Amino acid sequence: GEDVEQSLFLSVREGDSSVINCTYTDSSSTYLYWYKQEPGAGLQLLTYIFSNMDMKQDQRLTVLLNKKDKHLSLRIADTQTGDSAIYFCAESSSAGAGSYQLTFGKGTKLSVIP
Amino acid sequence: GAGVSQSPSNKVTEKGKDVELRCDPISGHTALYWYRQRLGQGLEFLIYFQGNSAPDKSGLPSDRFSAERTGESVSTLTIQRTQQEDSAVYLCASSLLAGAGANVLTFGAGSRLTVL
Repeated sequence: GEDVEQSLFLSVREGDSSVINCTYTDSSSTYLYWYKQEPGAGLQLLTYIFSNMDMKQDQRLTVLLNKKDKHLSLRIADTQTGDSAIYFCAESSSAGAGSYQLTFGKGTKLSVIP
Repeated sequence: GAGVSQSPSNKVTEKGKDVELRCDPISGHTALYWYRQRLGQGLEFLIYFQGNSAPDKSGLPSDRFSAERTGESVSTLTIQRTQQEDSAVYLCASSLLAGAGANVLTFGAGSRLTVL
């Protein structure tokens, strides 16, 4: 079945850029998402990208998509301590009944060092 | 409501007991999802409701798990004869429309279940 892989941990210094990477296997993925989960909270949508786009920028966030390699990344510029959280990559496909399902990775825990 | 509300936020139960978890989706959201998040794991899809259509129960791990939803409102997830491996955070999410365009899910804070 579909699979989404992420590295589990990332540690960066405050003010540096963070890059969180994700790979997926479903070639019919149409949308790819980044969610953020703070301790004790549910997941919050950060951004998403349509599969025919290469890049999407939203303030400090830049999403890059390499559809050929099925690789997605989230770059956070000027990382702040408030960015410390778990970041989940997810994909949805247009394949029939599965179009409403999101497949999530295991999440990358970002730790920001002051 | 303004967001997705889940209750209880924490539940500790003894092995073999039944538990019921509740989810209040955002008003007007036709789609409702239940996910399970085990410690250090990603989100595991459990069940999906869309309007009055038959739910997709393909993710329910065993027949001890069941869920209901009344119309486009509250949903309850029931786990019968709980086992220790059921310990997890159970997340509910709702979305305005599934299957067309980006499917933007809004999540509740989750119900943390601990089975002793």
